[in-house]
Amino acid sequence: QSMLTQPPSASGTPGQTVTISCSGSSSNIGSNFVCWYQHLPGTAPKLVIYGNNQRPSGVPDRLSGSKSGTSASLAISGLRPEDEADYYCAAWDDSLIGVIFGGGTKLTVL
Amino acid sequence: QLQVQESGPGLVKPSETLSLTCTVSGGSISSSSYYWGWIRQPPGKGLEWIGSIYYSGSTYYSPSLKSRVTISVDTSKNQFSLKLTSVTAADTAVYYCARDNMGATGSFDYWGQGTLVTVSS
Repeated sequence: QSMLTQPPSASGTPGQTVTISCSGSSSNIGSNFVCWYQHLPGTAPKLVIYGNNQRPSGVPDRLSGSKSGTSASLAISGLRPEDEADYYCAAWDDSLIGVIFGGGTKLTVL
Repeated sequence: QLQVQESGPGLVKPSETLSLTCTVSGGSISSSSYYWGWIRQPPGKGLEWIGSIYYSGSTYYSPSLKSRVTISVDTSKNQFSLKLTSVTAADTAVYYCARDNMGATGSFDYWGQGTLVTVSS
């Protein structure tokens, strides 16, 4: 598996909670930390979750990460228009001996 | 505040070698526990990890690019570099350098602004 599996799109209205999934295998998510990135066009990706569920300084607690077995999720509660972006999961893969990213999920705030 | 910044040609001819440098400021590239990585994003596509390096020179490369990639480090200049040989149009992308804050795990916390490299004659 050369890529983690994410839904291509997700959407929600302001104030709602949206969850983005990331599916992998025993060689990546199942045995290593997962992180999540928020990417706005024309800007550098921003790390929003690392170590499965840790938030870097400055990331609001509306964003939370979780992992169970070979899957991980990013939840965004109290959805805001500024949350509209592409979101990527990533993890180390022991078989590939490298980092793999998910294909990305485009989040639309309706 | 740590900063990383990519530099290099924005246009490379097919079959030639793409060369980029990442300059780290506000911190030492020789700090323990950190790997330094290159990631790219082709137009309209997702993020792709290219490879990562430790200040000692230890490297990891993407299996799909391994035959064409070399990442090196110059601790005296606080820089690390990317060379990608035999480029084609498929290598056209925004290239980012970044710091991996948890060893070589893919947890990149500081990113450069990115530099667009176009492969065209």
